[in-house]
Amino acid sequence: QSALTQPPSASGSPGQSVTISCTGTSSDVGGYNYVAWYQQHPGKAPKLMIYEVSKRPSGVPDRFSGSKSGNTASLTVSGLQAEDEADYYCSSYAGSNNFYVFGTGTKVTVL
Amino acid sequence: EVQLVESGGGFVQPGGSLRISCAASGFTFSTYWMSWVRQAPGKGLEWVANIQHDGSEKNYVDSVKGRFTISRDNTKNSLYLQMNSLRAEDTAVYYCAREAANWAISRWGQGTQVTVSS
Repeated sequence: QSALTQPPSASGSPGQSVTISCTGTSSDVGGYNYVAWYQQHPGKAPKLMIYEVSKRPSGVPDRFSGSKSGNTASLTVSGLQAEDEADYYCSSYAGSNNFYVFGTGTKVTVL
Repeated sequence: EVQLVESGGGFVQPGGSLRISCAASGFTFSTYWMSWVRQAPGKGLEWVANIQHDGSEKNYVDSVKGRFTISRDNTKNSLYLQMNSLRAEDTAVYYCAREAANWAISRWGQGTQVTVSS
């Protein structure tokens, strides 16, 4: 099972928006509405930011939003803040043989 | 407060074995699927294995099948990963993770470092 494809980096100034893509196949992203996004600060554990494509867990700011079209999911961070600077990983359910497949990761820099 | 605390990581030679553990608290451990996820140095996340709440179903990524065994003890609120025939490419931080019902990982431990080197 191959990793989902994400751009290595993305950036934006404070207050701007940044969108990260996550491209898979019809066997994972395109086949299920079980895409999640995680934020990971250096040396820290990942944190769930989005689940089921576009739902936010309690406590996650509404500046974070998710969507999906075909085999590509996206995470948008609006109103960028300094604390949003982190690595972001997507994941998708990939069926009963592979379960979870993660993306390659995107480093978001707040300029 | 939900807590997942890993232990047992360390340095091991190729071909060796190691068992890592995860102590869970703050939630009803016996009602959740649990996973191990690893992250090699400077690399992304990789799901390793998961186990059903009662231990009756276990699943593994292809690269560890036949070498790693996931298990749990619900009486001790603990999750384990027995790792045999370790290879250099198994070097990573191993995270204990609580799954949600919607194929997302809702809680993560802080991780334990496993280094395989001669």
